[in-house]
Amino acid sequence: EDKVVQSPLSLVVHEGDTVTLNCSYEVTNFRSLLWYKQEKKAPTFLFMLTSSGIEKKSGRLSSILDKKELFSILNITATQTGDSAIYLCAVFFTGGGNKLTFGTGTQLKVEL
Amino acid sequence: GAGVSQSPSNKVTEKGKDVELRCDPISGHTALYWYRQRLGQGLEFLIYFQGNSAPDKSGLPSDRFSAERTGESVSTLTIQRTQQEDSAVYLCASSLRDHSYEQYFGPGTRLTVT
Repeated sequence: EDKVVQSPLSLVVHEGDTVTLNCSYEVTNFRSLLWYKQEKKAPTFLFMLTSSGIEKKSGRLSSILDKKELFSILNITATQTGDSAIYLCAVFFTGGGNKLTFGTGTQLKVEL
Repeated sequence: GAGVSQSPSNKVTEKGKDVELRCDPISGHTALYWYRQRLGQGLEFLIYFQGNSAPDKSGLPSDRFSAERTGESVSTLTIQRTQQEDSAVYLCASSLRDHSYEQYFGPGTRLTVT
């Protein structure tokens, strides 16, 4: 069965800490992996990863994909309270039709 | 340009009634997606429209759910004979072409079935 699993489910850190969020997947015919940040209702796009070992970076956020071990990590350095959100991982695969399957997300809370 | 818009933002309905949710994608985006997010859970794929191709309805949970799209513009998601388990946020997203492109999400419609 195709699945996307994120860990941890929730995380509480202090401002300035570095966090690593994990996403592992088991899908048929992997095409790409995407990370989204969801603060209220609409998720906002962070990264799309298609190739192993190439880090994508945007400010304090970075992400990398390992297609051999079937996982991705999202790193956030020097966390701020504004980073508090649910971080969603989604995988696009073509097994059984074109689908984008989301994990259940990691709820991150950054405290002062 | 404007982003994806959805209406209504909130909808409260009685069990057994039909509801219609609307999504206006970004102009020029040929792909449109509907997702459902129940409280505390991840996004659940419902249906995918790509241009004039037959929609991928594989995520619709029952025959009470249906969706239409007029060309490459507005889409409506209809839930007939609503049940309490239909209560969720319904999110619409659009992308330039297909899944290989970034999806832009609308603000969602929060549906509450009493």
